[in-house]
Amino acid sequence: GAGVSQSPSNKVTEKGKDVELRCDPISGHTALYWYRQSLGQGLEFLIYFQGNSAPDKSGLPSDRFSAERTGGSVSTLTIQRTQQEDSAVYLCASSFDGRGRWTYEQYFGPGTRLTVT
Amino acid sequence: SQQGEEDPQALSIQEGENATMNCSYKTSINNLQWYRQNSGRGLVHLILIRSNEREKHSGRLRVTLDTSKKSSSLLITASRAADTASYFCATDASTGTASKLTFGTGTRLQVTL
Repeated sequence: GAGVSQSPSNKVTEKGKDVELRCDPISGHTALYWYRQSLGQGLEFLIYFQGNSAPDKSGLPSDRFSAERTGGSVSTLTIQRTQQEDSAVYLCASSFDGRGRWTYEQYFGPGTRLTVT
Repeated sequence: SQQGEEDPQALSIQEGENATMNCSYKTSINNLQWYRQNSGRGLVHLILIRSNEREKHSGRLRVTLDTSKKSSSLLITASRAADTASYFCATDASTGTASKLTFGTGTRLQVTL
């Protein structure tokens, strides 16, 4: 079956512009996560969605960052008024809660490389 | 903030040798996972060890967990050139139906022929 997909794969934008990054999780996966990875660094948690529960936004670095998940499937991460420090690879992951028993491993997409000039 | 710190930051070995990477973390955990990343892109889950487990094997991988020392190690035996990648530990301190991972800074493994 198809894995997690993300689009675009690369995005170059000018400082101050808004960008939208898209994530298509694996079909049926109830949890969706966004991470950010700066050059040579580990992953930084941004936000996660679990079913119909309110999202955990505790990792969003500023109010310029927001995300939504429509219909429990596709998610969009929006960065408003981009800054150069927003340049990073943005990774999306999903995981599956199978019949009430939580599955902890996460399946990652290939990421979107964002460059703010 | 980074929960896990991997050691070493970089490791270079020859094909056939074993590679050992260590991870230390700060808070109590539910489970600890190891992921591999090629070419700075998507991560692939390798193995998960729960807090009540001490050792786990999967193919050429062996993971240990010492919760009293808040540390884990990943051993890759008989390494291959294809094992060249960055390896990250990730801790899950969640309870209930949630799984929020905190990743370490990674170990870059280079396996040469």
